[in-house]
Amino acid sequence: QKEVEQNSGPLSVPEGAIASLNCTYSDRVSQSFFWYRQYSGKSPELIMSIYSNGDKEDGRFTAQLNKASQYVSLLIRDSQPSDSATYLCAVEDMRFGAGTRLTVKP
Amino acid sequence: GAGVSQSPSNKVTEKGKDVELRCDPISGHTALYWYRQRLGQGLEFLIYFQGNSAPDKSGLPSDRFSAERTGESVSTLTIQRTQQEDSAVYLCASSPLGYGTSGGNEQYFGPGTRLTVT
Repeated sequence: QKEVEQNSGPLSVPEGAIASLNCTYSDRVSQSFFWYRQYSGKSPELIMSIYSNGDKEDGRFTAQLNKASQYVSLLIRDSQPSDSATYLCAVEDMRFGAGTRLTVKP
Repeated sequence: GAGVSQSPSNKVTEKGKDVELRCDPISGHTALYWYRQRLGQGLEFLIYFQGNSAPDKSGLPSDRFSAERTGESVSTLTIQRTQQEDSAVYLCASSPLGYGTSGGNEQYFGPGTRLTVT
């Protein structure tokens, strides 16, 4: 069983829509959760970190964490074509999901 | 400030040769990580350093792979007797505090070294 699961996608949304990216994890004692964005041919960059249950907002991005359900999500509001990338969920330091490829169509 | 740097950016080598990849983390970052990313695939964890010790080297795929770190500074990943399946992008990341420290273990990635074994 994979420790961090993400829908591989691809996920396609129209410009201006909300993109919803989901991630589940298996280790109940995990405390740190991260979302990274990786453009094609580039290295991952940190978008959000979340440590407590609930929502954390940063501009157009909202991370949601539910430790009881072992679930973390990323919402991107008003999606832009420049948001088209692969989004990686990470639990603690080194456990990465396979990533979800997002395409935002103009 | 300066981010994580890696060298070389590209390396082409013949099968059977040894290669050394270098990573310079962000100054002051305690933790350093190496990952491998094959084309179109996710990140594959290789090894993690806390300072100059490696509490987790579980991801090293074989004894041809080794890594070391000098203090809380530069790290080198060495691949001996390279094989074609070693072809990938090797990514290095650093974080301020490292594993088990909520609020200090976010990672900052370098640009990667693209290794091609012919």
